Amino acid sequence: QSVLTQPPSVSGAPGQTVTVSCTGSSSNIGAAYAVHWYQQLPGTAPKLLIYDNSNRPSRVPDRFSASKSGTSASLAITGLQAEDEADYYCQSYDSSLSAWVFGGGTKLTVL
Amino acid sequence: EVQLVESGGDLVQPGGSLRLSCSASGFAFAGVAMSWVRQAPGKGLEWVSTIVYSGATAYYADSVKGRFSISRDNSKNTLHLEMNSLRDEDTAVYSCVKLAGWITSNWYFDYWGQGSLVTVSS
Repeated sequence: QSVLTQPPSVSGAPGQTVTVSCTGSSSNIGAAYAVHWYQQLPGTAPKLLIYDNSNRPSRVPDRFSASKSGTSASLAITGLQAEDEADYYCQSYDSSLSAWVFGGGTKLTVL
Repeated sequence: EVQLVESGGDLVQPGGSLRLSCSASGFAFAGVAMSWVRQAPGKGLEWVSTIVYSGATAYYADSVKGRFSISRDNSKNTLHLEMNSLRDEDTAVYSCVKLAGWITSNWYFDYWGQGSLVTVSS
């Protein structure tokens, strides 16, 4: 049971927009700790996708965006492409656990 | 180019010990915090441990506290994870990860190694 809750899977057709939610609590996202997102392509190591709630590393296309509100955060992927098929993880800090915590991950399938 | 290369993963019996190492290059290793993150087969990511740039302070997940020890040698750009009293549930790919960010609680994992597989089984 992950501290941050993500849907196990989402799907969308090429060109569509999908969102991935990440729900936390008052000891992590709700406590104003930043949320970060990672993309893990099949068989590879995770890569940083979004940091500090909504910032993209320069190599990440602007089709990827993220936001945070209250105890939740979300990742949006617009103009879906086949190469976006991957697992996506949110991450924050939890003050009750004194630990950096991850969501359980969401598998994106491009139909 | 940032490179993180782990080594030391192996098959070990329950109750046994293992030492993982990570060789870092392409950045100022001595100036950044580093972590180990693991991923059990077919499962999600789990933070294991973090050490600050100087090595003076380390943090551990409750699941490994008292059994694992993180350390670093800044003169050799190397990160280590000493694992003792290993359990079946410690079976995972262990990745060496570089941290970024200004505030400890808002640190994020900006570069990951490919990982080293640790299998705990009799």
